[in-house]
Amino acid sequence: AQSVTQLDSHVSVSEGTPVLLRCNYSSSYSPSLFWYVQHPNKGLQLLLKYTSAATLVKGINGFEAEFKKSETSFHLTKPSAHMSDAAEYFCVVSDPGAGGYNKLIFGAGTRLAVHP
Amino acid sequence: DTGVSQDPRHKITKRGQNVTFRCDPISEHNRLYWYRQTLGQGPEFLTYFQNEAQLEKSRLLSDRFSAERPKGSFSTLEIQRTEQGDSAMYLCASSFAVPYQETQYFGPGTRLLVL
Repeated sequence: AQSVTQLDSHVSVSEGTPVLLRCNYSSSYSPSLFWYVQHPNKGLQLLLKYTSAATLVKGINGFEAEFKKSETSFHLTKPSAHMSDAAEYFCVVSDPGAGGYNKLIFGAGTRLAVHP
Repeated sequence: DTGVSQDPRHKITKRGQNVTFRCDPISEHNRLYWYRQTLGQGPEFLTYFQNEAQLEKSRLLSDRFSAERPKGSFSTLEIQRTEQGDSAMYLCASSFAVPYQETQYFGPGTRLLVL
């Protein structure tokens, strides 16, 4: 069965410093992996996705993630945090169904706080 | 592209009442998913539609829950005889079926509080 583990429930950084949100996955086969962000009172927004192409995936707002099969990791990084990055971040693995659809399996989330 | 919309955004109800939520997907999307998110947790899969056919239901979806997607357009999720444990955010997502490239787009959610 597919699963993801987000290693930190809370991360706090200062504005302008790097961001690292850690995620490990478990999958029976080559997974599709995603990072979604959820701002308060807003819907989930896709940051980036990995679907077996390049292992370094660039997303929106300067975020990127690297797929490391040997470490079963898909950590999210950003070189310089902005106040607007404060939100809840979810690492997600796709669980393909028999009909070719993809139910998403979410991690528990990491709350990112950015301090001035 | 107006995005996925959900109505209502908030619902407060008393235990035992029935509630119905609506989701309008992105117009050309043929797949529609419902998820539930409880406080402090990530969303969990509830059910999935391909066009008008409901193809999978999670064990989380008890007999009090029913979902429909008539004509393969909007979808409704009904909860009968609500319980306090049903309090959660109900999220809808839609996508277009592309092998290995599917991306689900989420609506803003309906927050349900059962008193």
